[in-house]
Amino acid sequence: GESVGLHLPTLSVQEGDNSIINCAYSNSASDYFIWYKQESGKGPQFIIDIRSNMDKRQGQRVTVLLNKTVKHLSLQIAATQPGDSAVYFCAENHGLSFGAGTTVTVRA
Amino acid sequence: NAGVTQTPKFQVLKTGQSMTLQCAQDMNHEYMSWYRQDPGMGLRLIHYSVGAGITDQGEVPNGYNVSRSTTEDFPLRLLSAAPSQTSVYFCASSYSYLDEKLFFGSGTQLSVL
Repeated sequence: GESVGLHLPTLSVQEGDNSIINCAYSNSASDYFIWYKQESGKGPQFIIDIRSNMDKRQGQRVTVLLNKTVKHLSLQIAATQPGDSAVYFCAENHGLSFGAGTTVTVRA
Repeated sequence: NAGVTQTPKFQVLKTGQSMTLQCAQDMNHEYMSWYRQDPGMGLRLIHYSVGAGITDQGEVPNGYNVSRSTTEDFPLRLLSAAPSQTSVYFCASSYSYLDEKLFFGSGTQLSVL
């Protein structure tokens, strides 16, 4: 069946550095992917999405890259800030499947 | 604009008790869903609805029941609570089932003793 997974459960990054969070998926028919951010004690919140006809999409300080050949997507956060500390999830095809999440901790 | 509202925020039950987790949205979204979140397992889909009167099972539906009598409300019922249902529950909604980002509620933390 379909599955979406993140490569690393935790990521520690220095404030001001760039963060890269990876996600692999197994369903080659997936055509829509979303990244969510979940802060402690809150529900997930939409960050950015990408459709399968695109390789890259940019938002404010965030970029999502999609490599359909190896079924991999990544979320890049530029100039990471303390407020970026959270759990990040990738989801495919309207949230039918979520990865376990990567916990990002920003060091001052 | 309240978005997705879940009640209660916290609940403690005894094994065998039943209860209903409430979820309401004021965005006129057609699609609503329930997830449970357990440590290290991400979000798992319990049930979902693509519109009023229509519901379907997700990945982990056993022990839960849902109904969708109105567009706004999507309650989740625990028929006979078990310790394995101790979890954080999230309700989410979106404009449609087709490739739309989800809006999540703030969650209900449920403990079953």
